[in-house]
Amino acid sequence: GDSVTQMEGPVTLSEEAFLTINCTYTATGYPSLFWYVQYPGEGLQLLLKATKADDKGSNKGFEATYRKETTSFHLEKGSVQVSDSAVYFCALGGNSGGSNYKLTFGKGTLLTVNP
Amino acid sequence: ETGVTQSPTHLIKTRGQQVTLRCSSQSGHNTVSWYQQALGQGPQFIFQYYREEENGRGNFPPRFSGLQFPNYSSELNVNALELDDSALYLCASSLSGVGMATQYFGPGTRLTVL
Repeated sequence: GDSVTQMEGPVTLSEEAFLTINCTYTATGYPSLFWYVQYPGEGLQLLLKATKADDKGSNKGFEATYRKETTSFHLEKGSVQVSDSAVYFCALGGNSGGSNYKLTFGKGTLLTVNP
Repeated sequence: ETGVTQSPTHLIKTRGQQVTLRCSSQSGHNTVSWYQQALGQGPQFIFQYYREEENGRGNFPPRFSGLQFPNYSSELNVNALELDDSALYLCASSLSGVGMATQYFGPGTRLTVL
């Protein structure tokens, strides 16, 4: 079945450092790929998405490129801020042949950015 | 545009009891999906509702059931609560069409089973 493996945390960075959170996936067919962010005590917010190979999703300075050849969707940001501290989830969206499209999530990566 | 809302925010139940959680989907959306997020884990798909019918289910027992109403809002019911049901329950709404629709999440209901 579908699965997502993402970089184990926690990740601690200083403000303005470069961020990479690795994500790889296993899926049949052609899934869509997502990054969601969860701030303390809140639900999930969509950060960015890509729907086909070589697409690049971007939002708020974050970027991720859908790499079919390496089955990866790594999240990057050039200069993190304290406000980026949160848990980041990589997810793939797909179905198993029916009409249902569900999300399969990784375990999440806790990012802490220190001033 | 109103986002996804869930109620209640927090809930405490005892083992063996039953619970109902509620979700109002984002305006214009016709599909609701429910997820269970245990502490320190990623969300796990429970089931999805489209046009008032269950449209796919994850690896959860039948004591997890749901409903979708004509206004696309939804309920998640859990019978015979177990300690392991303690989790954050997330509802997500989307507009189903061709292919994968982006799912937008509510703030969740934190369920504690004692």
